[in-house]
Amino acid sequence: QVHLVESGGGVVQPGRSLRLSCAASGFTFSSYGMHWVRQAPGKGLEWVAVIWYDGSNKYYADSVKGRFTISRDNSKNTLFLHMDSLRAEDTAVYYCASQGHWGQGTLVTVSS
Amino acid sequence: QSALTQPASVSGSPGQSITISCTGTSSDIGGYDFVSWYQQHPGKAPKLMIYEVTNRPSGVSNRFSGSKSGNTASLTISGLQAEDEADYYCSSYTSNRGVFGGGTKLTVL
Repeated sequence: QVHLVESGGGVVQPGRSLRLSCAASGFTFSSYGMHWVRQAPGKGLEWVAVIWYDGSNKYYADSVKGRFTISRDNSKNTLFLHMDSLRAEDTAVYYCASQGHWGQGTLVTVSS
Repeated sequence: QSALTQPASVSGSPGQSITISCTGTSSDIGGYDFVSWYQQHPGKAPKLMIYEVTNRPSGVSNRFSGSKSGNTASLTISGLQAEDEADYYCSSYTSNRGVFGGGTKLTVL
């Protein structure tokens, strides 16, 4: 079955960078678009970014555009989210998702 | 990218039916048949309950149903059970992006 496992979260200072990974298995990774969605503590879901199956197109929420970069390595069945210039408001659990399947999330805390 | 509008909370007694609405615009809900509904229990990842407005994934109870009229989508849960108590989120496709509703807390009385 579809299995998505996020990693790379942690505590980071404002202005610094962090890269999240999402390891996928149980489906043909290279055939499907992939999303990142986040959820701030006690808040609702916020769509962050999407990348097409072949990496040819990428789209971002206005709140992260210019600071976050989504990418994928289809040879390694892995999705990435590179986050620059992190702010306190980026603190959230970050989920990768595809075809309605979600990982368990990884917590990113931006704090000095 | 405005969020879709959901009621903050709804409640019902076991065995009853409830409906959660999700209002958007002609650029999202009204423009595409790509509305999904997710259930989220505390501390857990969201679970897909409905996709493409009316479709249930394998394994999801037929007590859950979805519909859409114009710019508003709805999730109906019939025969409420204690385990249905959770947060519910709608989502839609819009201009190569996704958008979520603010979430609805369902309380089973």
